[in-house]
Parts: sequence; structure tokens; C-alpha cells
Amino acid sequence: AQSVTQLDSQVPVFEEAPVELRCNYSSSVSVYLFWYVQYPNQGLQLLLKYLSGSTLVESINGFEAEFNKSQTSFHLRKPSVHISDTAEYFCAVTRNSGNTPLVFGKGTRLSVIA
Amino acid sequence: KAGVTQTPRYLIKTRGQQVTLSCSPISGHRSVSWYQQTPGQGLQFLFEYFSETQRNKGNFPGRFSGRQFSNSRSEMNVSTLELGDSALYLCASSVTRGGALSTEQFFGPGTRLTVL
Repeated sequence: AQSVTQLDSQVPVFEEAPVELRCNYSSSVSVYLFWYVQYPNQGLQLLLKYLSGSTLVESINGFEAEFNKSQTSFHLRKPSVHISDTAEYFCAVTRNSGNTPLVFGKGTRLSVIA
Repeated sequence: KAGVTQTPRYLIKTRGQQVTLSCSPISGHRSVSWYQQTPGQGLQFLFEYFSETQRNKGNFPGRFSGRQFSNSRSEMNVSTLELGDSALYLCASSVTRGGALSTEQFFGPGTRLTVL
């Protein structure tokens, strides 16, 4: 079975500062990895995903994440955050074969301070 | 293309009652998954339906059930409600090709259930 640990439940950061949200996973098989974002009173939106190939994946709004197999990590980074990035971020994992559901971390609440 | 819709958006029930939540997936999506989101437990998988059949099931008691109709719309039912069932229930739909689940799930806004 897979599991995900998001090491920080809350991350406050000043506007235009860099941020890193940490995610570690556990799995005995190869996996796909995802970051989802949830804005207040909304569902989850896919931010980016790692399926295979380049270990660095990017989103259209400036976020990036790097898959590190040896450290079983998939940390999310942004070099300069905006107020509009304030949201809850979820890391998720699923095995890369078969129809298996997503396993989510507990989430990290990112608060951007003006 | 319309997104995933869930009805109702908010519900208030009392202990012992039952509740039915509805989810309409994106047109063309045949897989529907349900998740429970609470502050303490985070997001937990309930079940997944594909072509009217339950294909995956999470670790929830039998009070939680679901079904899927021929048009891919899905409902979930919770019987004998408990205080701990208060949560945001999220539905997600996904494209399937040859029965294989796509790697991307599209989530609805959720139904917030409060049990008093």
C-alpha cells in the first residue's frame, strides 16, 4: 500500500518570497505522483503530476515539483508567491499500474502574507 | 465543457437519519470516485464506480454505499448518520480508455454534510 506524508500542516510566507511544500511517499512499487490545490469552498484542482520521464515537472502558474526516487520525495516549490496562492495543497500518490485510487497526504495550508 | 457537479452543496441532518448525495461527472467520463474530507483524517477514499460497477472500495463501514447509473451519474448514501460523518464529500470523475483509469481526476466542489 502507498502512503503520503506532508511534513508541514501550515506554511506562512511573505508575498514574493520563495516557498517549498514538502511531500514524502512510501511505496513498494512504482508510482505516479500529484499535487492538488484546494481554494476555500472549492473542490481540488490538479496542479501538476509526475508520471514518467523528466523528474522536474512544472505547472502553468509557476509551481514546480521534483521527483526524487532515492529520497522518495516530491516537494513543491515556487520562487515567488502571490496572495492568490493562498490555499491548501495536497500531495497524492497512486501505483502506476491497475485502477487504484489516489492516496492523499493530510494537506499543507499555505498562507501568503502581504 | 461543464465540470463535475454535486448536489446539494450543503446539508444538515440529525443523528440516525440517512442522506443521499448526487454527483454528475464531466460528459464522457465513465469513472466516478468519492472521497470524504475531514480536518482530522484529511481526504479518504470511499469508493469508485465504473460502468455501473463498484471497482474499488475504501475502508469505510457498510453504512456508506453508492451506485452509478447508466448515464454515469453517481449517488452515495449514508445510513444511520453519526456525528463523525460530518465532512465534505467530494466526487471526482475520470476518463477511462479501454477500462484503464486515466491519471487525472476532476473534482467537484463537494457537498458539506453537517450531522447534529
